[in-house]
Amino acid sequence: DAGITQSPRHKVTETGTPVTLRCHQTENHRYMYWYRQDPGHGLRLIHYSYGVKDTDKGEVSDGYSVSRSKTEDFLLTLESATSSQTSVYFCAIREGGTDTQYFGPGTRLTVL
Amino acid sequence: SQQGEEDPQALSIQEGENATMNCSYKTSINNLQWYRQNSGRGLVHLILIRSNEREKHSGRLRVTLDTSKKSSSLLITASRAADTASYFCAGSGGGADGLTFGKGTHLIIQP
Repeated sequence: DAGITQSPRHKVTETGTPVTLRCHQTENHRYMYWYRQDPGHGLRLIHYSYGVKDTDKGEVSDGYSVSRSKTEDFLLTLESATSSQTSVYFCAIREGGTDTQYFGPGTRLTVL
Repeated sequence: SQQGEEDPQALSIQEGENATMNCSYKTSINNLQWYRQNSGRGLVHLILIRSNEREKHSGRLRVTLDTSKKSSSLLITASRAADTASYFCAGSGGGADGLTFGKGTHLIIQP
């Protein structure tokens, strides 16, 4: 599992509330990623990070922000959650030597 | 936009048979990765094939890559009930790029 944990694993929230999801890794990987998975769409890239305080947008970044103040933590924030952000969110790291991406267990977020 | 498109979307075979899934992609890639996802679970990495490779094996898995046709295939030999899952291909342009996924093939192995 490449030492990746995500918290919380499940969350139910209401429209308009802020939500922060956390991804934590223990193996000092430089690259980290946030994806969302929805039925009929597969996984889509939201944001990624290539180092502390270095982040960039992915395919579906609208409504999301990220922060990376430490190598081990990559935070995904929904500033004002909407029902369209109900999804399963996966964090991933890229193993530098092989380019392989390994995924965390996922967070199931429901926005009512 | 989806990079990969898996074919078929769903596949049901008998245990012991071979299962073949295909993936087509749109833009140039540095590598292509295959993943397995059991229902309601996370993604398990199966194999990575680079753009300069044509075939790769790992246990009962065989992956091919044809960059001229922008396509890849995953073959699972001697299928088992535990192989029942969704399988995804995902392409990367290299560097810091994230992966661009297809929508997956749902494989059902009938006992």
